[in-house]
Amino acid sequence: NAGVTQTPKFQVLKTGQSMTLQCAQDMNHNSMYWYRQDPGMGLRLIYYSASEGTTDKGEVPNGYNVSRLNKREFSLRLESAAPSQTSVYFCASSEGGGQVGKTQYFGPGTRLLVL
Amino acid sequence: GNSVTQMEGPVTLSEEAFLTINCTYTATGYPSLFWYVQYPGEGLQLLLKATKADDKGSNKGFEATYRKETTSFHLEKGSVQVSDSAVYFCALSQGGYQKVTFGTGTKLQVIP
Repeated sequence: NAGVTQTPKFQVLKTGQSMTLQCAQDMNHNSMYWYRQDPGMGLRLIYYSASEGTTDKGEVPNGYNVSRLNKREFSLRLESAAPSQTSVYFCASSEGGGQVGKTQYFGPGTRLLVL
Repeated sequence: GNSVTQMEGPVTLSEEAFLTINCTYTATGYPSLFWYVQYPGEGLQLLLKATKADDKGSNKGFEATYRKETTSFHLEKGSVQVSDSAVYFCALSQGGYQKVTFGTGTKLQVIP
């Protein structure tokens, strides 16, 4: 049982380049999330998908797009990378639904450096 | 909006010392509260949680009690080990779709 997997683990981009971060979960979870982690700022939600076929903006969506390809996969795309997007990106999933207290399960992260 | 405030680190303790990491929150109603732990080079993983007032979450010797009156969820452990060295995040979730608000994290270093 792999849980949440992310690719790549590490990436270096030049300003203006584009890339897609991939995320997949094998726990049959309805909800998936993309966060970025920056020093001293905790985790900030970029986008989330409450269920297959839906996506919504989080706290810091500018410069990003997402696709919920199917129930398992949720990708994050940077169309034109900027140095401010240098960060560690985490994908997470949860059972979702209206009940509170659901645990989120995190992937190992992608370290992105934009030069 | 919702917010979580936790004590700044790093916190450095000797092995077998008592640990407290303070966490307070701002939210309307009754959020669910969590502690997540992040070991070096890894993603976050749930340490414990509490979903209603006065609940105590516990796991691996760690405990935290949901205090509605003080809007707090402090993390405690009676005797820390070197293997507890990690970053600890306090968090809350409220409303639909399990959106979670995280604190900034507290780094714990335990020395032998």
